[in-house]
Amino acid sequence: AQSVTQPDIHITVSEGASLELRCNYSYGATPYLFWYVQSPGQGLQLLLKYFSGDTLVQGIKGFEAEFKRSQSSFNLRKPSVHWSDAAEYFCAVDPFSGGYNKLIFGAGTRLAVHP
Amino acid sequence: EAEVAQSPRYKITEKSQAVAFWCDPISGHATLYWYRQILGQGPELLVQFQDESVVDDSQLPKDRFSAERLKGVDSTLKIQPAELGDSAMYLCASSASGSGKSYNEQFFGPGTRLTVL
Repeated sequence: AQSVTQPDIHITVSEGASLELRCNYSYGATPYLFWYVQSPGQGLQLLLKYFSGDTLVQGIKGFEAEFKRSQSSFNLRKPSVHWSDAAEYFCAVDPFSGGYNKLIFGAGTRLAVHP
Repeated sequence: EAEVAQSPRYKITEKSQAVAFWCDPISGHATLYWYRQILGQGPELLVQFQDESVVDDSQLPKDRFSAERLKGVDSTLKIQPAELGDSAMYLCASSASGSGKSYNEQFFGPGTRLTVL
């Protein structure tokens, strides 16, 4: 079945530490891949996206993500976390199987940052 | 900077009552999406409009939910009657176009948090 999996429901890191949030997808072909962030009471903001080409993509707020076809993964990373990064992070795919664009979201990973 | 507007931001209602949510997309955006986000889960697409036409409502519970975008601009999502399980965040998003070879980013509004008592 087609799915997006974020294995970690909740992650806590110390400010200044590195971060990696995991995302795996299950689709027949490589879909378009996205990471969104949602702060409390806010809508979703796009951090970065992957369509094709270079497998390491840079996004806003110092985030990057690496696409690994062999592992069907698109993990989000940040070298040094800031307290303001505390939020919920969603991985999403667009199967782009023809017709209209459509986003399928994972369940999210809630990030807490210790001072 | 243009934003997607939603109202109300919060709504508390009793079971079996009717509720309605409003969304005003970014000006010029042809595609409008309504998502439901249950606590602890990711958003799930309920309905997608291209201009005034519905192009995907496969996940919309049509016995109680309805959506319209009469003039191809703003949109209303209605629930009648509301049930306890409808408690969730309802997000609206818009994009310049939702089809074709070029990809257009979806921009999300702040959402309406619905609590059904």
